[in-house]
Amino acid sequence: QSALTQPASVSGSPGQSITISCTGTSSDVGGYNYVSWYQQHPGKAPKLMIYEVSNRPSGVSNRFSGSKSGNTASLTISGLQAEDEADYYCSSYTSSSTLNVVFGGGTKLTVL
Amino acid sequence: QVQLVESGGGLVKPGGSLRLSCAASGFTFSDYYMSWIRQAPGKGLEWVSYISSSGSTIYYADSVKGRFTISRDNAKNSLYLQMNSLRAEDTAVYYCARWAIVATCTFDYWGQGTLVTVSS
Repeated sequence: QSALTQPASVSGSPGQSITISCTGTSSDVGGYNYVSWYQQHPGKAPKLMIYEVSNRPSGVSNRFSGSKSGNTASLTISGLQAEDEADYYCSSYTSSSTLNVVFGGGTKLTVL
Repeated sequence: QVQLVESGGGLVKPGGSLRLSCAASGFTFSDYYMSWIRQAPGKGLEWVSYISSSGSTIYYADSVKGRFTISRDNAKNSLYLQMNSLRAEDTAVYYCARWAIVATCTFDYWGQGTLVTVSS
């Protein structure tokens, strides 16, 4: 069982917006602004999409945005495109472990 | 561009050993902390181990402590994971990942992964 809880799947139609949640505790998501989001296409390496809750690395589309409220972080994808279909993982700093990053279980995004 | 290429995975019997390698290019390897992260079939991601840029600081997940050893050779731009006493539950794709400098608690580049299967 992963430390952070994500929905197993979400779906949306092209052009729509979707949001993926990532729920933790006050020891991780809620306590620190160190949430990251990764996109993984089948058979490919994970790609960093968001870091420190809401920052986008250079080259990542501004259709991807991140936010946090309490113990839940969210990744929003606007203007959904077919290429966005992938698995998405969140991670967070945690004060509960020596290896101080925990991951979510992943969310499969389907573009209908 | 940054590239991380893992190798060394394969099929091994329970109790066996395997050594994974990660060849890095496109950046100054010796400046970065590096990590191994794994993903069991159909499961989420699990941070396995990390090593500081000089190799002086190393941490392991409890699930692999005492069985796995991480190391690096900055002269060869390479990261390694020696895996001993392998168990079925170690079956996973193992990724090499770079610990970001400009972002906190983030892996900014990942390799494509190498599959380790532990089965009799």
